[in-house]
Amino acid sequence: GQNIDQPTEMTATEGAIVQINCTYQTSGFNGLFWYQQHAGEAPTFLSYNVLDGLEEKGRFSSFLSRSKGYSYLLLKELQMKDSASYLCAVRDSNYQLIWGAGTKLIIKP
Amino acid sequence: ETGVTQTPRHLVMGMTNKKSLKCEQHLGHNAMYWYKQSAKKPLELMFVYNFKEQTENNSVPSRFSPECPNSSHLFLHLHTLQPEDSALYLCASSQIRDGSYEQYFGPGTRLTVT
Repeated sequence: GQNIDQPTEMTATEGAIVQINCTYQTSGFNGLFWYQQHAGEAPTFLSYNVLDGLEEKGRFSSFLSRSKGYSYLLLKELQMKDSASYLCAVRDSNYQLIWGAGTKLIIKP
Repeated sequence: ETGVTQTPRHLVMGMTNKKSLKCEQHLGHNAMYWYKQSAKKPLELMFVYNFKEQTENNSVPSRFSPECPNSSHLFLHLHTLQPEDSALYLCASSQIRDGSYEQYFGPGTRLTVT
């Protein structure tokens, strides 16, 4: 079966750095996505990785290792507005997105 | 504002009712999707339309019936639902092309079946 694993919940402090991990087992791989979803709102696209390595976009970075079936989202200089759920999704060999259950990130002052 | 709108935002319906959810995208995309999001569960893909043609139906019960009259509009017709169908229903759109073609989501319809 296809599976995406990510922690259910994480807590971090304002101004700090947090890393949210995602591991996957899917039938094929055609890219990995990270989305942010604030409570009661739509998921919004954060990043896309298809090759191994680190993609940096401002305070957010995403890393991929295809051989390990592993990705992480790194958030730096945390702000209160970063409190949200972070969803990891992998596009499989049929170009369908397989989603993780999301990681709820709580930022404390 | 992502360019994808959904109505209504909240819906309460009895098990014998018939209702429809509406989605409209203003992004010029050629693919649209219906997802179900339940608490603490992964997003479940229900239906996919590419160029108005349904390409995926992931074993969704027949009490959910999609309709895509054109590439900008998508409906989900609901009838004789069950309480376990209560969830957030998200619509998304994307442009099918090489590369990431990330999906853009609407705000969702919070559905409660009583």
